[in-house]
Amino acid sequence: GQSLEQPSEVTAVEGAIVQINCTYQTSGFYGLSWYQQHDGGAPTFLSYNGLDGLEETGRFSSFLSRSDSYGYLLLQELQMKDSASYFCADSWSGDKIIFGKGTRLHILP
Amino acid sequence: DAGVTQSPTHLIKTRGQQVTLRCSPISGHKSVSWYQQVLGQGPQFIFQYYEKEERGRGNFPDRFSARQFPNYSSELNVNALLLGDSALYLCASSLGDRVSEAFFGQGTRLTVV
Repeated sequence: GQSLEQPSEVTAVEGAIVQINCTYQTSGFYGLSWYQQHDGGAPTFLSYNGLDGLEETGRFSSFLSRSDSYGYLLLQELQMKDSASYFCADSWSGDKIIFGKGTRLHILP
Repeated sequence: DAGVTQSPTHLIKTRGQQVTLRCSPISGHKSVSWYQQVLGQGPQFIFQYYEKEERGRGNFPDRFSARQFPNYSSELNVNALLLGDSALYLCASSLGDRVSEAFFGQGTRLTVV
């Protein structure tokens, strides 16, 4: 079946770096998007990888390897406000847009 | 510029009833997609419309339907509501038909009792 797999939870310390992995198995893979969602809020777009390699946006970076069907989101200089759920998504898999189940990021002071 | 707006924000319906949810995309965006999100899960894709045509459909029963209007706003209809339809319904808009960067509304919280 079509799916994106990511860890359910990750814990890191304020100021540190954390990586959230995403492996995918989808037909017609187009590109990998990342979204952040705080409790009670709507998902907000973070990053998109249409090509292999690294995309950097401030403290956030995202990576894609099509040959490995793998990507990750890297968050640097973690802040308490980064505590949220993070979703990877195949932006267009055939006729569907598929989200992973999300990774809950816990940040310790 | 206004973001994606959804109405209503909260809704309580009885089993068997019908519901219509509304979404206005960001000005200039021609694509609207709908998602169902239950607590602790990722958004589940329901529909995507681009230029008023259905471009994609998720694994939802025929009780779910949608349409997009000439002004690119959209409605999601759910008939014969079941308890399991209780969820947050999210609408997202994007510029093109490839949803690489989607902008989400705050959602409609639907409770079926």
